[in-house]
Amino acid sequence: ETGVTQTPRHLVMGMTNKKSLKCEQHLGHNAMYWYKQSAKKPLELMFVYNFKEQTENNSVPSRFSPECPNSSHLFLHLHTLQPEDSALYLCASSQGTSGSPDTQYFGPGTRLTVL
Amino acid sequence: GQNIDQPTEMTATEGAIVQINCTYQTSGFNGLFWYQQHAGEAPTFLSYNVLDGLEEKGRFSSFLSRSKGYSYLLLKELQMKDSASYLCAVMDSNYQLIWGAGTKLIIKP
Repeated sequence: ETGVTQTPRHLVMGMTNKKSLKCEQHLGHNAMYWYKQSAKKPLELMFVYNFKEQTENNSVPSRFSPECPNSSHLFLHLHTLQPEDSALYLCASSQGTSGSPDTQYFGPGTRLTVL
Repeated sequence: GQNIDQPTEMTATEGAIVQINCTYQTSGFNGLFWYQQHAGEAPTFLSYNVLDGLEEKGRFSSFLSRSKGYSYLLLKELQMKDSASYLCAVMDSNYQLIWGAGTKLIIKP
């Protein structure tokens, strides 16, 4: 059983569409993450929020826009995507203890296809 | 640069033992994680090693040698449900996780 949920599980969108991915964690954590997972490639960290503040933005194109209204919810707003953005988008959360190792717990991901 | 290497794919037989290796070169070291990911599902945490040696957890064990930049995950008494990808990740000096590309493990009857 996962304490991190993501919706939708699958999404197909055109390059001119605007859509949002949602993540919710029920673990009482303070840090939340967005990752991109492409086939046979390492997980790519996109954004990190700690106590609702964005602490990491790994040179992600502006067509991806994160939002963290509170410690339990995280969104990824998508607009004008490219076909190469097709991937599995994973959300994760952790305790958020700064300066110490922190185990991340993942949601099942949203499989995104951009046509 | 930072780098994590692990084999792309391995095949093993049900009931047997398999060892999945991971080598790393990172800026600092604050521990190594192993995750299991079944197709279409969330990665799930398996183990965390920060000191040298072997940590055993049921059928799964994880080993770390910091001086060699090396870890392995050992799976015993393999079951069909162990077919999955196994992800190695190292936490660097900034407490950021650096991920390997994962090892797809195929279990045959």
